[in-house]
Amino acid sequence: GAVVSQHPSRVICKSGTSVKIECRSLDFQATTMFWYRQFPKQSLMLMATSNEGSKATYEQGVEKDKFLINHASLTLSTLTVTSAHPEDSSFYICSALTGGADTEAFFGQGTRLTVV
Amino acid sequence: AQRVTQPEKLLSVFKGAPVELKCNYSYSGSPELFWYVQYSRQRLQLLLRHISRESIKGFTADLNKGETSFHLKKPFAQEEDSAMYYCALSGPPTSESASKIIFGSGTRLSIRP
Repeated sequence: GAVVSQHPSRVICKSGTSVKIECRSLDFQATTMFWYRQFPKQSLMLMATSNEGSKATYEQGVEKDKFLINHASLTLSTLTVTSAHPEDSSFYICSALTGGADTEAFFGQGTRLTVV
Repeated sequence: AQRVTQPEKLLSVFKGAPVELKCNYSYSGSPELFWYVQYSRQRLQLLLRHISRESIKGFTADLNKGETSFHLKKPFAQEEDSAMYYCALSGPPTSESASKIIFGSGTRLSIRP
């Protein structure tokens, strides 16, 4: 299957700083990528849909100025958590859609963000 | 509203016993339904999708539109089936919402030897 790589897999940052998480589709081009957030023992919550070459579409309740998404190429989307606070600590997961008739979502391994 | 409900957080069965992970959904239209699996320390991956009508690793799932359910079943559980299972839906393949996947809360399946 297709491979999606997320980097870093784990990051610790200080309150007030910004953190960038990368999501790359390694062996396919993805016009659409997604960013999810997962709280402990809870489901994946869709944060936003990242479209190559256009603005991301944010889900209701997700602050677009807080979670900046850039999808500058067909293989890379980035999520920047700006002015991070401890409540932003979470597990962030990206996925990328393959194209074609049998479109399928492939997931990155996730990024554990801890804000101290 | 679009919603996926998995009522069981944890399901524990003995090896060789039948397994059924429940999933109910709410969607105004004809969604596409999926089951995703996450094995320990691995990433989330697609297990099966209803339009394929496949049996993957012995698992099957039938879409019941009347009951708005998409339960995952396997007749004889194996230890390697222990994992976190997520039911998910998206819009019809040709719709704008086709690419937006909504997940249930997940069920942890534990197979006892």
